Amino acid sequence: NAGVTQTPKFQVLKTGQSMTLQCAQDMNHEYMSWYRQDPGMGLRLIHYSVGAGITDQGEVPNGYNVSRSTTEDFPLRLLSAAPSQTSVYFCASSVGGRPNSGANVLTFGAGSRLTVL
Amino acid sequence: SQKIEQNSEALNIQEGKTATLTCNYTNYSPAYLQWYRQDPGRGPVFLLLIRENEKEKRKERLKVTFDTTLKQSLFHITASQPADSATYLCALGSYGNNRLAFGKGNQVVVIP
Repeated sequence: NAGVTQTPKFQVLKTGQSMTLQCAQDMNHEYMSWYRQDPGMGLRLIHYSVGAGITDQGEVPNGYNVSRSTTEDFPLRLLSAAPSQTSVYFCASSVGGRPNSGANVLTFGAGSRLTVL
Repeated sequence: SQKIEQNSEALNIQEGKTATLTCNYTNYSPAYLQWYRQDPGRGPVFLLLIRENEKEKRKERLKVTFDTTLKQSLFHITASQPADSATYLCALGSYGNNRLAFGKGNQVVVIP
C-alpha cells in the first residue's frame, strides 16, 4: 500500500515552460486535492476533485489545470510556468471529501518542489 | 474573510515537559478541527480530529481541546521527546463543503 505517490520530487523550469505534476493514490479514495505550501503562507488549496470526472477550484486556481479521468490519478498541469509558481506542491486524498459525507481527513504525498526561473 | 492563527515563533521545550500549541480562528464556525504533524521535506501527517460538540480528545501523549466560544484549539504534547520535534498544523473544516483551511503551522523543538 503506497498511499499517495507524487512525481517528480524536484523540478526546475524556465518561465513559460509547461509541465505536469503527477499524483496517484492506491487507497480507492474519492477525494483528491492539490495544495501549495509557501513560507509564511501555509497550505493553500489549488484544485480538488470529489470523484472521477468531477473537479473544482480551490483558493488559488489561476495558472493551474487539473483533470480526473480515473479514481487513482489526479495530475496538476502548469501550462505556462511563472516564477510566482515556485513552491512545494502537495497532493492529498481522503475518503470523506464530498460535502456532508463526514470529516475530511487527508492523506498527503511527500511533495514536489518546483522552482521556476 | 476567515483567519487561522498559529504562533509563528518556534516553541523550544525541554524534554519531558508538556508542549502546548494554540490555534485561534476568526470569521469561521468550523464543524471540526484537525491537527497534523509535518517533518522537514515531508508531507503533513494526520494526528487528531475533534468535532465542535467535543471538548477534548486524547491519543497517547497527545491531547486536543476545542473551545468554540473562544474560537480556539489547544494542542498538548505531554512528556515531550526529541522525536516530537516537528511543525504542527491545525486545519478547520465544515461538513457543507469539506474544504479544509490550514493554519501556517507552529514549530516545536524538544531539547534533550
